[in-house]
Amino acid sequence: QVPLVQSGAEMKQPGASVKLSCKASGYTFTTHYVHWVRQAPGQGLEWMGLIDPTTGGTSYAQKFQGRLIVTRDTSTGTVFMDLSGLTSDDTAVFYCARVPRDLRHFDFWGQGTLVAVSS
Amino acid sequence: EIVLTQSPDTLSLSPGERATLSCRASQSVISNYLAWYQQRPGQAPRLLVSGASRRATGIPDRFSGSGSGTDFTLTIKRLEPEDFAVYYCQHYGSSPLFGGGTKVEIK
Repeated sequence: QVPLVQSGAEMKQPGASVKLSCKASGYTFTTHYVHWVRQAPGQGLEWMGLIDPTTGGTSYAQKFQGRLIVTRDTSTGTVFMDLSGLTSDDTAVFYCARVPRDLRHFDFWGQGTLVAVSS
Repeated sequence: EIVLTQSPDTLSLSPGERATLSCRASQSVISNYLAWYQQRPGQAPRLLVSGASRRATGIPDRFSGSGSGTDFTLTIKRLEPEDFAVYYCQHYGSSPLFGGGTKVEIK
């Protein structure tokens, strides 16, 4: 069973919002924080934010404050990432990844979701 | 704010050769919070090493991590064809931070 499975690719216009999902399975949902990391075409990895599935508490990179919202649904074990005010610079593959409580590394990554922003 | 600098940007080697990848932090970091990932083309990153030197489950022993303070190294003892990929170091202080990556390409 794959621990994290993400929703499919999205194409959006500038100014729009996108909501991606990341479904956890095969492990206890509350044992890991879930993070979002993005990767622009040909570029490196950029941390965006995280959620504590137990409390719903979040933390966001300063760069995304005000336009990123991460939520979770404990009944389905799903984490959502909502990014608003999209520009062409947001074209990227977005990954969810989990970090075990009390540790500081990503032990598993979702398969990634491509978001293309174009008029 | 800590910056992670990886070098070289690109490493051109042949299968069977040894690869040595560097990750330098702008200030001393806690070794327990330093990890390495491999990313093959079109795939998600995969954890190789955590705590600077602990191989993740299922990672072959040709991969090894070392270092402390500001200087960390990922060594691939003998490159296999599937090892040609991009490698990232990552530190987790107040929030996660990634190095810029080193691409290991076939010479």
